[in-house]
Amino acid sequence: AQSVTQPDIHITVSEGASLELRCNYSYGATPYLFWYVQSPGQGLQLLLKYFSGDTLVQGIKGFEAEFKRSQSSFNLRKPSVHWSDAAEYFCAVGAKSGGYQKVTFGTGTKLQVIP
Amino acid sequence: DAGVIQSPRHEVTEMGQEVTLRCKLISGHNSLFWYRQTMMRGLELLIYFNNNVPIDDSGMPEDRFSAKMPNASFSTLKIQPSEPRDSAVYFCASSTTGEAFFGQGTRLTVV
Repeated sequence: AQSVTQPDIHITVSEGASLELRCNYSYGATPYLFWYVQSPGQGLQLLLKYFSGDTLVQGIKGFEAEFKRSQSSFNLRKPSVHWSDAAEYFCAVGAKSGGYQKVTFGTGTKLQVIP
Repeated sequence: DAGVIQSPRHEVTEMGQEVTLRCKLISGHNSLFWYRQTMMRGLELLIYFNNNVPIDDSGMPEDRFSAKMPNASFSTLKIQPSEPRDSAVYFCASSTTGEAFFGQGTRLTVV
């Protein structure tokens, strides 16, 4: 069965600083990988996804993520954080389970942005 | 497409009452997921359907919870009887290629 680990529960960065959120997954084959963002009181919005091909994927709002098979990681990055990026971020893995596509989410990382 | 639509957005009910949450999928999507989100437990997958058939309901907390897909575009999650510990935000999401599209959620409060 697939699983996702987000080791950082809470991260604080200064506005304008760079950001990296960690994600490790467990799955026997190459999974589909996703990053979602959740603002307070809202549902989850897809930031970016990796299905195959180029291991560096670009997403919305200036985010990118790199798939590293050797490290089973899919870390999310942004070169310069804006105050509006404060939210909770979820990494997810989509994989076949019993022949059907199942999406499993990590526990999330809350991002605080300070002036 | 208006996206995944959930109703109601907020529900306050008394302990012991039946609660029904509703979800309309994105047209053409064939997978449906129900999630529950709490501060303590984070985002939990309760059940997911593929082509209207329940595939994995191992996340459903107990028999008080039930979910149905009467047709390809609509699903319900029912809690009967409800308990205060069921208070949470319930999300549904639909998918066709593995990427899940989420509704805005239903915030359930059981008093």
